[in-house]
Amino acid sequence: EAGVTQFPSHSVIEKGQTVTLRCDPISGHDNLYWYRRVMGKEIKFLLHFVKESKQDESGMPNNRFLAERTGGTYSTLKVQPAELEDSGVYFCASSQQLVSTDTQYFGPGTRLTVL
Amino acid sequence: KQEVTQIPAALSVPEGENLVLNCSFTDSAIYNLQWFRQDPGKGLTSLLLIQSSQREQTSGRLNASLDKSSGRSTLYIAASQPGDSATYLCAVTSGYSTLTFGKGTMLLVSP
Repeated sequence: EAGVTQFPSHSVIEKGQTVTLRCDPISGHDNLYWYRRVMGKEIKFLLHFVKESKQDESGMPNNRFLAERTGGTYSTLKVQPAELEDSGVYFCASSQQLVSTDTQYFGPGTRLTVL
Repeated sequence: KQEVTQIPAALSVPEGENLVLNCSFTDSAIYNLQWFRQDPGKGLTSLLLIQSSQREQTSGRLNASLDKSSGRSTLYIAASQPGDSATYLCAVTSGYSTLTFGKGTMLLVSP
């Protein structure tokens, strides 16, 4: 069974440009999460999809970030326009159920560098 | 607001030693606590998940304990090996299964 995949693995862009990150969850997982780790800080929650619906987007830092999950399969996270403080590693995770025993499976992350 | 703290931030031990990693959290209203491992350039791998009603979980040389009332968890690694070198992350689940992470403990086991 394929794990969670993320594309690209690395992205280097200039301030003001747009970047789109993609996450493909494990097949059959309704729950999809985005997290971010900026340098020196802990991994922080951004948002949670259940199928194609946003269950919780309380962690999104501002309106320059737009997440979508059309059709309830893969998800994209767009940053427009990118700022220097957006640099970090963006992780995607998926899980099958919303129960306390269910673990989240993480992708390898996308390392974003904004110059 | 839930906060998770991990101590120490980094740890270096010789192969064969037993070691303990510590995690504390401020809000005891959690569904579960997980320990993850992260290797450089890789994603997070779940090692152990302890439900809020449980006291401990074991997997091979790993044992994790949970004291929910005091907001503490420990990860015990027995007979450490160089392959155990990685960053270990503690995370608690509350709300709609969102995880709150600590900053991690970077472990180096030398041969």
